[in-house]
Parts: sequence; C-alpha cells; structure tokens
Amino acid sequence: NAGVTQTPKFQVLKTGQSMTLQCAQDMNHEYMSWYRQDPGMGLRLIHYSVGAGITDQGEVPNGYNVSRSTTEDFPLRLLSAAPSQTSVYFCASSETGTANAGYGYTFGSGTRLTVV
Amino acid sequence: KNQVEQSPQSLIILEGKNCTLQCNYTVSPFSNLRWYKQDTGRGPVSLTIMTFSENTKSNGRYTATLDADTKQSSLHITASQLSDSASYICVVTDYGNNRLAFGKGNQVVVIP
Repeated sequence: NAGVTQTPKFQVLKTGQSMTLQCAQDMNHEYMSWYRQDPGMGLRLIHYSVGAGITDQGEVPNGYNVSRSTTEDFPLRLLSAAPSQTSVYFCASSETGTANAGYGYTFGSGTRLTVV
Repeated sequence: KNQVEQSPQSLIILEGKNCTLQCNYTVSPFSNLRWYKQDTGRGPVSLTIMTFSENTKSNGRYTATLDADTKQSSLHITASQLSDSASYICVVTDYGNNRLAFGKGNQVVVIP
C-alpha cells in the first residue's frame, strides 16, 4: 500500500514564484489536510478537506490555495512564494475528520521547501 | 498560546534503558490523545490513540498513559533501541472543532 504520497520531496523556489505541492492517497479517505512544520513549533494546519469538492481554511491559510476535485488528490498551491513559507509541508489523510478515536491520521513523508 | 506542552525538549539515553516523555495539555474538552513517532526526514507515524476514558494503551515497547483529570499524558519507552531515536509528538483532538493540537515534540537520541 502506498498510503499518502507527496511530491516533490525537495524544492527550492525564488521569491514570487508559484508552485504546487502534490498529495495523493490510495486509501479512499474522505479527510485530507495540509500542515507545515517549522523548527521549534508544532505542526500547524494550513487547509483541509472533508471530501471531494469541499475545502476549508485551517490555522495558517494565508498564501496558500487548495482544491479537491477527487477523493485521491489534494494539491497545495503557493501563488507567490515568500521566504516565510520556507518549511516542511506534510499532507495527511484520515478515514473521517471526526473526533472519534481509532481514526488515525496517515502522514506523507513531507516536502521540504526553501524560498530564497 | 500552545495548548500542548511536552517535556523534556530533548534527552539522550543509553541503549537498553527506559525513558518517559511527558505531555501536558489545556485542550478542553478533548476527544482523544495521540502519540506519534517522527523519524528524521519522515512524516509522523501513529503509536497510540486514547480516548478521554482510557488510562493506558500499549504498542510493543511503547506504553502511553492518560490522566484526563490532570490533563497529563506520558509515553514510556521500555528497553530502548537505536531505532527509537526520533521525535515523539503528543497530539490532542479538540472535541469542539475536531482540530488537532500538536506539541513541539520530545527529541530522543539513543546511544550505544
């Protein structure tokens, strides 16, 4: 099982450039989300989706866009990269986004993004 | 304001020894508490999930405890191995908005 696949693993952007971080899962999970992880901080939620066609903002959504056209894919778009967006980005999926125990989150291996 | 605080921030232990990691949280009400292991350069991997009514949950050499009254959890690693070197992250689910509150992690280094 592939689980959650993120591409690319590493990326360097110049300030102002745009790019899309890809995330795909093959577990038929309804819930998908994007987090960023910065040194000395816990993971922070950027955007999430509870199903195809439905997205919502998380804790730190500014500068990022998402869409969910299929159950499997949840790309994260940076429209105009800024140095403050240098971080490690994780995509996660879950069978359901509800608070019920037992529904673990499966994380991808991450994309390390540097904006210069 | 961080709703999940973990201690110690980092520790070094000898292979074969035990260690205990602490997690204090203020999320209330909460629905469950999870411990994740994150190897360097990898995504977090779930170790345990406990509801508010559970006191302990084991996964091999990892045992998590939860005291919902004091809002404290611990993760005990028994007979540590070199492969236990990782960051251990405590995550609490907010019952009200289903959001996950992440701790900053306990960085564990196991040396031979």
